[in-house]
Amino acid sequence: AQTVTQSQPEMSVQEAETVTLSCTYDTSESDYYLFWYKQPPSRQMILVIRQEAYKQQNATENRFSVNFQKAAKSFSLKISDSQLGDAAMYFCARPHGGTSYGKLTFGQGTILTVHP
Amino acid sequence: DAGVTQSPTHLIKTRGQQVTLRCSPKSGHDTVSWYQQALGQGPQFIFQYYEEEERQRGNFPDRFSGHQFPNYSSELNVNALLLGDSALYLCASSSEYQETQYFGPGTRLLVL
Repeated sequence: AQTVTQSQPEMSVQEAETVTLSCTYDTSESDYYLFWYKQPPSRQMILVIRQEAYKQQNATENRFSVNFQKAAKSFSLKISDSQLGDAAMYFCARPHGGTSYGKLTFGQGTILTVHP
Repeated sequence: DAGVTQSPTHLIKTRGQQVTLRCSPKSGHDTVSWYQQALGQGPQFIFQYYEEEERQRGNFPDRFSGHQFPNYSSELNVNALLLGDSALYLCASSSEYQETQYFGPGTRLLVL
């Protein structure tokens, strides 16, 4: 089975500090995509950042960046200068079939709490 | 540009009834996927529609069926509802020409 694992059920961070959420995955594909989604209490699933496996450079979107280690099959999310609005459940997800539009397998999620 | 839309937002049904959920994809997207998310868990893939055909299916019983229309919108039908079908149902749209999958706000289904 091609799985996605998030080993941190809960994480907390002080406002303005940095936090890293972990994700590991299993795949037999050489080219693939990886996504981080944020799900606030409203339960709207919001794309935070994506990474293409063939790209060496780690993706960055404003305060969000990833540490993509292809050989280790690791895809962690770093949130810098944390804000109260970052509090949410975060899911790591991988589409199947080497495409960006294949069925998504999600990790179990990490609940992030941001303390003022 | 409207994002992914879903209707209704909330629904209450009783066991044994049937329900239909609707999804309109983001403009330019032709692929629609449906997911079931129980409280506190990650979404589980139900099926994906492309060109009005079911392209992939997850481990869900035949009580779950779907349809895609020529305008790419989609419906999810669930027959003979069980209490365990209570969940948030998410629709995601995508396209082979765009590298992201976008989700709608979901439909909360409660089966009593």
